[in-house]
Amino acid sequence: GESVGLHLPTLSVQEGDNSIINCAYSNSASDYFIWYKQESGKGPQFIIDIRSNMDKRQGQRVTVLLNKTVKHLSLQIAATQPGDSAVYFCAENSGGSNYKLTFGKGTLLTVNP
Amino acid sequence: DSGVTQTPKHLITATGQRVTLRCSPRSGDLSVYWYQQSLDQGLQFLIHYYNGEERAKGNILERFSAQQFPDLHSELNLSSLELGDSALYFCASSVEGGGQPQHFGDGTRLSIL
Repeated sequence: GESVGLHLPTLSVQEGDNSIINCAYSNSASDYFIWYKQESGKGPQFIIDIRSNMDKRQGQRVTVLLNKTVKHLSLQIAATQPGDSAVYFCAENSGGSNYKLTFGKGTLLTVNP
Repeated sequence: DSGVTQTPKHLITATGQRVTLRCSPRSGDLSVYWYQQSLDQGLQFLIHYYNGEERAKGNILERFSAQQFPDLHSELNLSSLELGDSALYFCASSVEGGGQPQHFGDGTRLSIL
């Protein structure tokens, strides 16, 4: 079945560096993608989303890039802070109009002070 | 705070029992989604309701059922519980049925003894 996978299960960076978290998706029909951040003991927190008719979208300190040719999604975090330490998930809408999100396994980002 | 409220936060019960998990969506959101998060399966979509009607089903067991009430709150019923049902159960909500961010509650941690 369709799946969304993350190549790097863990990522460790220094405070102030830029972080890049990657995600591969398998369903070429997916039309909407979301990045979530999950801290221990909490639910996933929305970070940024992108539709399939775009290839880049920027938020506050975050940028999402979508490459539909190779079915790849990335999240860039600028000037990473200790508060950014969490598990990051990408998710794709694999259900079309029925809006069914398929989540990747997650990447643990650790920011060292 | 996402605005999505889930109760209870923790639930401990025994095999064979039945439990009900409750979710209040964000004010104005018509869609409610349920997810199961476990260490081996990650975040798995269970079911989606929009304005009281079932919209999409994921890998939801027949022992599980859900409903969305006229006031838009939702309940997830889990019956004939097995040890493998121990997991975090998340509810999320969005304004409409698709193409918009889902906002998650902090989950109910279910432990089956």
